[in-house]
Amino acid sequence: DAGITQSPRHKVTETGTPVTLRCHQTENHRYMYWYRQDPGHGLRLIHYSYGVKDTDKGEVSDGYSVSRSKTEDFLLTLESATSSQTSVYFCAISERDRGEQYFGPGTRLTVT
Amino acid sequence: SQQGEEDPQALSIQEGENATMNCSYKTSINNLQWYRQNSGRGLVHLILIRSNEREKHSGRLRVTLDTSKKSSSLLITASRAADTASYFCATDDGSGGFKTIFGAGTRLFVKA
Repeated sequence: DAGITQSPRHKVTETGTPVTLRCHQTENHRYMYWYRQDPGHGLRLIHYSYGVKDTDKGEVSDGYSVSRSKTEDFLLTLESATSSQTSVYFCAISERDRGEQYFGPGTRLTVT
Repeated sequence: SQQGEEDPQALSIQEGENATMNCSYKTSINNLQWYRQNSGRGLVHLILIRSNEREKHSGRLRVTLDTSKKSSSLLITASRAADTASYFCATDDGSGGFKTIFGAGTRLFVKA
């Protein structure tokens, strides 16, 4: 999967707890993205990064925050997990602005 | 609302037949991309077509883009059972930023 890993791959957590998902790349790509995938919605962009410490919101950013202190790592934090955040989360990287993206294997998160 | 919308939502064909999927979008774009997703996996980039291109080929894939109609089609020729997957179109959101917006996808089932 193009030098991109996600951890954990599966997580079950309780409502109200904070959760952090990690995306790690070895490709030195500038752009990194977090998406969630739910049935009937395709992929929806949560947050993205266009450089170290440079991030911006996507279309479904409420309840999520991100950080990128190094080129290779992009962290997604659910500040207080809710059942509506049960989903599969994908990280993606891209070398070019609006170019082809390479996806990680995904993290399946269940909030009970 | 989604920038890209695929049609049909689901498609079932026999091995050896051609499969055509369509994508419509709402705003001006810089490029349009097609991705494939096998069940339980991350998305895989298939092809990128720029707004000044009308047709592009890659192996058994043929993509067309009609910017006047704001639509694209993906043709898979001589389909194989291994082509069974979901196919997504993706575009930039027309704002000049870094976001890529995905449609909800077409589920293709190729019967052996």
